[in-house]
Amino acid sequence: QVQLQESGPGLVKPSQTLSLTCTVSGGSISSGSYYWSWIRQPAGKGLEWIGRIYTSGSTNYNPSLKSRVTISVDTSKNQFSLKLSSVTAADTAVYYCARVDRNWYYFDYWGQGTLVTVSS
Amino acid sequence: QSALTQPASVSGSPGQSITISCTGTSSDVGSYNLVSWYQQHPGKAPKLMIYEVSKRPSGVSNRFSGSKSGNTASLTISGLQAEDEADYYCCSYAGSSTSLYVFGTGTKVTVL
Repeated sequence: QVQLQESGPGLVKPSQTLSLTCTVSGGSISSGSYYWSWIRQPAGKGLEWIGRIYTSGSTNYNPSLKSRVTISVDTSKNQFSLKLSSVTAADTAVYYCARVDRNWYYFDYWGQGTLVTVSS
Repeated sequence: QSALTQPASVSGSPGQSITISCTGTSSDVGSYNLVSWYQQHPGKAPKLMIYEVSKRPSGVSNRFSGSKSGNTASLTISGLQAEDEADYYCCSYAGSSTSLYVFGTGTKVTVL
């Protein structure tokens, strides 16, 4: 059974960089069958796709966040990471990592989510 | 890329059937049979319920079914049960010219 677990600071100051890591267990992040993605959800609001990475390191980002987002992968640790720079209060949200089927583009396994609050 | 449009809320009595619509454009829902649906209970992560418009993952009840016509996808829950009360989100692949994935606005399902 694949499991994903987000980790990182729950509080980030405005203008700083948000950094989260997703640790994958029960399966290899190097599997060629999947992308690995970040999605966020502000309190009481809907889901927003942030970006995805393939085991090769190839990335795609939401154009609305592209200038501030970097997603990277560490296959030796079976982890992938999110960095979001120049954060504001609008970036306060629950951040989820998820596995994406490479052929059919659905999110089949999700982490439990981690709340990141942007505040001074 | 705008979010897909879903009704804010849908309700039904136990045993009834309800349908949630998800309206996009010819650039997303209308162009790809890559619509998926997610169920989210309060404080929990979303759970995949339907993928490729109408396919169910292993373990998902056959009371859940999906369809698509033109730019609108639909999720139908038949034999509504108390445990179905949750938020539901659709999602469509939208191609490389924009955000690859676009989610719906979300629908709160209430079991009366």
